[in-house]
Amino acid sequence: AIQLTQSPTSLSASVGDRVTITCRASESISRDLAWYQQRAGKAPMLLIYDASSLQNGVPSRFRGSGSGTGFTLTITSLQPEDFASYYCQQFNTYPLTFGGGTKVEIK
Amino acid sequence: EVQVVESGGGLVRPGRSLRLSCAASGFSFDEYAMHWVRQVPGKGLEWVSGISWNSASTAYADSVRGRFTISRDNTQNSVYLQMNSLRPEDTAFYYCAKDIDLWFGRKVFDFWGQGTLVTASS
Repeated sequence: AIQLTQSPTSLSASVGDRVTITCRASESISRDLAWYQQRAGKAPMLLIYDASSLQNGVPSRFRGSGSGTGFTLTITSLQPEDFASYYCQQFNTYPLTFGGGTKVEIK
Repeated sequence: EVQVVESGGGLVRPGRSLRLSCAASGFSFDEYAMHWVRQVPGKGLEWVSGISWNSASTAYADSVRGRFTISRDNTQNSVYLQMNSLRPEDTAFYYCAKDIDLWFGRKVFDFWGQGTLVTASS
């Protein structure tokens, strides 16, 4: 199975900060990567797919980039509602796999 | 409005069975692949299983293959997860999720239910 390694596992940031989360795949997955946000006690929500395509209704401060084995999710100006956990997911090969998650906390 | 609602979770003894249901509305259910994803409370996400629009194609995580079976009834706009030989490590919230793409799907999940908790414990 393709392993996805996210870093950092957690970070502390302030409103207005630029935040970057990295996802590294154990083998090339082209651009077959999605990003999800999960707020406490809620279901995950799709943010980005195909590495950089913004899902309908998601604010433009969320940006995805990368291909092959290295990917990045950037939040250009952190808002109060962005404090949550973030997961990457590869859909290149079964079994589908997720990264371990990154928790974004308030500094 | 797209809605996905899971049901059927609960407390079950290890080795026993449980069937989860997922009722969908607000989209053409019979045109989309559907999936189950689980999450141990406080931990990360694990994809469990997926099924194509016409049930012709199914897929499973290694951890559940041979014990879990996914199915769907397009006349009822529902997808199911039959879980047999449950183990303590199957304890998790189980989410039903809609695929973003038609037919066999892209395996990206654009709408999720709120989850149903399965606890396998003696």
